[in-house]
Amino acid sequence: DIQMTQSPSSLSASVGDRVTITCRASQGIRNDLGWYQHKPGKAPKRLIYAASTLQSGVPSRFSGSGSGTEFTLTISSLQPEDIATYYCLQHNSYPYTFGQGTKVEIK
Amino acid sequence: QVQLVESGGGLVKPGGSLRLSCAASGFAFSDYYMTWIRQAPGKGPEWLSYISTTSGFTKYADSVKGRFTISRDNAKSSLFLQMNSLRAEDTAIYYCARDLSAGYWGQGTLVTVSS
Repeated sequence: DIQMTQSPSSLSASVGDRVTITCRASQGIRNDLGWYQHKPGKAPKRLIYAASTLQSGVPSRFSGSGSGTEFTLTISSLQPEDIATYYCLQHNSYPYTFGQGTKVEIK
Repeated sequence: QVQLVESGGGLVKPGGSLRLSCAASGFAFSDYYMTWIRQAPGKGPEWLSYISTTSGFTKYADSVKGRFTISRDNAKSSLFLQMNSLRAEDTAIYYCARDLSAGYWGQGTLVTVSS
């Protein structure tokens, strides 16, 4: 199975800060990766697909980059509504696997 | 807009069975692979199973293979997950999602396996 190592597990940042979350795959997955935002009690929402393509309707402060084994989700200017847990998902090889999540809080 | 609504969760004893449903709307259901994902308390999500558009191909995670069965009814835009021989470790929120890369998710239904 492909292991997805996501870091950090949590972070606290101020409104307006640039935030970066990383996922590392245990083997190459091309760009078969998505980033998801999950707020408690709500349906998880995909922000990024194909590693770097912004999902329609998602604010442009979110961006994704990477290919192969190293991937990054960046929030260019953290907003209060971005408080959530973020996950990556690789869909290159079965079984598809998620990162363990990054909980983002406001300082 | 795309909407996925899960139902059928609840409290069940170890060894018991449950059938989850997912009602889809806002898109051409029969054109998309569909997926089940779960999230146990305090853990990250776990991909469970997917089914092809015409039900001809299914795939399962090792943790549920032989116990869970995914199916769909394209005429009713519905996805199902039959869960048998349930264990305490199956306790989780279960989500249905559209396509292999989980482009859209429902809000989930809680399954609790406990005596």
